[in-house]
Amino acid sequence: EDKVVQSPLSLVVHEGDTVTLNCSYEVTNFRSLLWYKQEKKAPTFLFMLTSSGIEKKSGRLSSILDKKELFSILNITATQTGDSAIYLCAVANAGGTSYGKLTFGQGTILTVHP
Amino acid sequence: DGGITQSPKYLFRKEGQNVTLSCEQNLNHDAMYWYRQDPGQGLRLIYYSQIVNDFQKGDIAEGYSVSREKKESFPLTVTSAQKNPTAFYLCASSSQGALPQHFGDGTRLSIL
Repeated sequence: EDKVVQSPLSLVVHEGDTVTLNCSYEVTNFRSLLWYKQEKKAPTFLFMLTSSGIEKKSGRLSSILDKKELFSILNITATQTGDSAIYLCAVANAGGTSYGKLTFGQGTILTVHP
Repeated sequence: DGGITQSPKYLFRKEGQNVTLSCEQNLNHDAMYWYRQDPGQGLRLIYYSQIVNDFQKGDIAEGYSVSREKKESFPLTVTSAQKNPTAFYLCASSSQGALPQHFGDGTRLSIL
């Protein structure tokens, strides 16, 4: 059974702080790891990582994957109140009828205070 | 605009009642998915369909049923057999097997 564990489960910081969110996984047939941001409703896609050691960046957010150690981190620098959200990590399975199926972690609730 | 529409936004279920959540997409995606989200538990897969007239159980299918008669529609029925239906339900879609999945705005289901 595929498994994804995120840490910490919740985090409270002040504007301007840098945060690191962690995601470790076990999957029978790894295809990709994805990060989503969820504010009130629909999760919105942030990054998809397939290759180890290659950093993906978008503004103040960046993410990297370590396929040997089976984890990924999501960094947010100079946090803003608009970064307050649930951050979800998911792994995609490459095998058979599970192709395209995502297994999600519990999520990290980030709260950024002014 | 292209997207995924879930309705209703809020739904209340009485004891012993079946309720149906709607999910429609106009993205021409082949694959559609239903997830359940409880506080502190992330998203769990209920059912998914990779093609019309075919669907597979996810990790928590008991007490739920689906149909896929049209490419753009994937309704989820929460049956009376689901004893703890209170949750946030999210529908997603993607081109067959492709990533990422795109999500609707969800339906929040509560028990009366």
